[in-house]
Amino acid sequence: SQQGEEDPQALSIQEGENATMNCSYKTSINNLQWYRQNSGRGLVHLILIRSNEREKHSGRLRVTLDTSKKSSSLLITASRAADTASYFCATDSDNQGGKLIFGQGTELSVKP
Amino acid sequence: GAGVSQTPSNKVTEKGKYVELRCDPISGHTALYWYRQSLGQGPEFLIYFQGTGAADDSGLPNDRFFAVRPEGSVSTLKIQRTERGDSAMYLCASSFQGPNTGELFFGEGSRLTVL
Repeated sequence: SQQGEEDPQALSIQEGENATMNCSYKTSINNLQWYRQNSGRGLVHLILIRSNEREKHSGRLRVTLDTSKKSSSLLITASRAADTASYFCATDSDNQGGKLIFGQGTELSVKP
Repeated sequence: GAGVSQTPSNKVTEKGKYVELRCDPISGHTALYWYRQSLGQGPEFLIYFQGTGAADDSGLPNDRFFAVRPEGSVSTLKIQRTERGDSAMYLCASSFQGPNTGELFFGEGSRLTVL
């Protein structure tokens, strides 16, 4: 079963614009992670935010976490064509027995 | 190599055949995970090893699927009597300990096609 649900399912923007992807989850978490996947490739870890954190930055990435709403968002600022990929959130919860559960992903297309 | 290695990268087989997919994790990583991903979907959890033992195999869809990690390093995912519905990308990942300690490192996947 999938814990996280991303929205939108697909997002198309122009280079230089910001991209925002959202993730909602159902049960309380220890941490939430975001991953990126280029077409036909493996996943690459982007950022981890713990349940006691509200915001985290890494380069052009900004992640927020609202545990009261059970939601997270990933913001990519000043997007580039090379940011074109699928983005997944994944949650780690005590009731998941030590495994990460992934959402369905947001497919981001950045047009030059 | 420095990363997670998966072989084969592509496997085409016929319905009913037996398939083995191999994963070589990052050296020193005690946790190893198998996920399955269908086109346009997120990775679906199959099984998680901590050392040599399967800590959680609740994601294996049925008894045709089995995975081993006999020496706590390389893992093999075995699929018996393959069906067309088994066609997917099979992803392996490893981490230093369990997921509470941080990120998973993924291999490039093994794409299985069952004709």
